[in-house]
Amino acid sequence: QVQLQESGPGLVKPSETLSLTCTVFGGSITSYYWSWIRQPPGKGLEWIGFIYYSGSTNYNPSLKSRVTISGDTSKNQFSLTLSSVTAADTAVYYCAGEKVDGNCFDPWGQGTLVTVSS
Amino acid sequence: DIQMTQSPSSLSASVGDRVTITCRASQSISSYLNWYQQKPGKAPKLLIYVASSLQSGVPSRFSVSGSGTDFTLTISSLQPEDFATYYCQQSYSTPRTFGQGTKVEIK
Repeated sequence: QVQLQESGPGLVKPSETLSLTCTVFGGSITSYYWSWIRQPPGKGLEWIGFIYYSGSTNYNPSLKSRVTISGDTSKNQFSLTLSSVTAADTAVYYCAGEKVDGNCFDPWGQGTLVTVSS
Repeated sequence: DIQMTQSPSSLSASVGDRVTITCRASQSISSYLNWYQQKPGKAPKLLIYVASSLQSGVPSRFSVSGSGTDFTLTISSLQPEDFATYYCQQSYSTPRTFGQGTKVEIK
């Protein structure tokens, strides 16, 4: 079955850019919308946005000005960049797949903690 | 954006108890409502999708009801492995939004 793995730096300085990559194993990248979701420590879940294999994207308006999600179908990967980060962007970042005909998030990566601190 | 409101935010219950969690959407979302279970340090796990379909492997003690704006997740007989935080999530429109979560704790 499809499995996801996030990778990227665990520490980012304030005002810099956060960059994460999600690698898709064991399935077709064309069957899903690929999302990033984050969870600040002790808090709830926030959807950041998704990309479809065609390259079309959809972002949360609350983050749209700072977010880019891109994909590399040759590597079965998709990436998140979040610019001008502050301490409020400290969170566990998850990648997740939403089947085109499924309307739910499954599978999920294990998550990666990104801390924004100088 | 569609706001999702869960109640209660937390509850204490004993093994064998019947537990009910409510999720309310700020506008009609038809049946586009999913439920997730999250344990500490783990990613959320899909339990139920599109309002009433149990994900493969999810025990039948989990059930749901509702459509439109009001939904309920019921655990008929709480088991030790059910102590976790539960989130509802709408997939009716973007941005996708989640409820704030309901933490189910041991009494």
